[in-house]
Amino acid sequence: GAVVSQHPSRVICKSGTSVKIECRSLDFQATTMFWYRQFPKQSLMLMATSNEGSKATYEQGVEKDKFLINHASLTLSTLTVTSAHPEDSSFYICSAILAGTNTGELFFGEGSRLTVL
Amino acid sequence: AQSVTQLDSQVPVFEEAPVELRCNYSSSVSVYLFWYVQYPNQGLQLLLKYLSGSTLVKGINGFEAEFNKSQTSFHLRKPSVHISDTAEYFCAVSPTGNQFYFGTGTSLTVIP
Repeated sequence: GAVVSQHPSRVICKSGTSVKIECRSLDFQATTMFWYRQFPKQSLMLMATSNEGSKATYEQGVEKDKFLINHASLTLSTLTVTSAHPEDSSFYICSAILAGTNTGELFFGEGSRLTVL
Repeated sequence: AQSVTQLDSQVPVFEEAPVELRCNYSSSVSVYLFWYVQYPNQGLQLLLKYLSGSTLVKGINGFEAEFNKSQTSFHLRKPSVHISDTAEYFCAVSPTGNQFYFGTGTSLTVIP
């Protein structure tokens, strides 16, 4: 099946710094990628929808200037948490839809756990 | 608007016993239906999906689910669980194949 890879899987940073998380589709092209945030014992909260070559669409309540999303190619989307604070600590998961098909299936990355000290 | 309800937040079950995880949805249009499993500190893996056709869908690891249109349900079942099935399970619906709505998840704990 299709594989989505996230990097890094874990990152610890100091408050005020910026962190970039990469999401790659390894063996397929993904015109659309999604970024989710997951709090402990809770469901996935959709943050934004990322389309290749265009600006991301953010969900209500998600600060676009804080969570910068770039989808520069059909295989790579990045999420940058700018000026991170402890409340940004969370598990971030990306997912992708296989381009050119209508399988209606999301392929998920392994997730990235961000800890802001 | 679409919504997904997983009524059971936690389900403990003894090893080799059967299990059913419930999922109900509301939608004004036809939807695709999915079950995903999440192991600790990992992303989500697809267990099974219903797009069309037979309402009984078989997935990986011995799981199956049945789409019931009249009851707007898509309950997940397994006749005999293993310790390795301990995980978080998420039901999801998609009206278009491009937007996905997730339930709050059910934590399945298999007791030896």
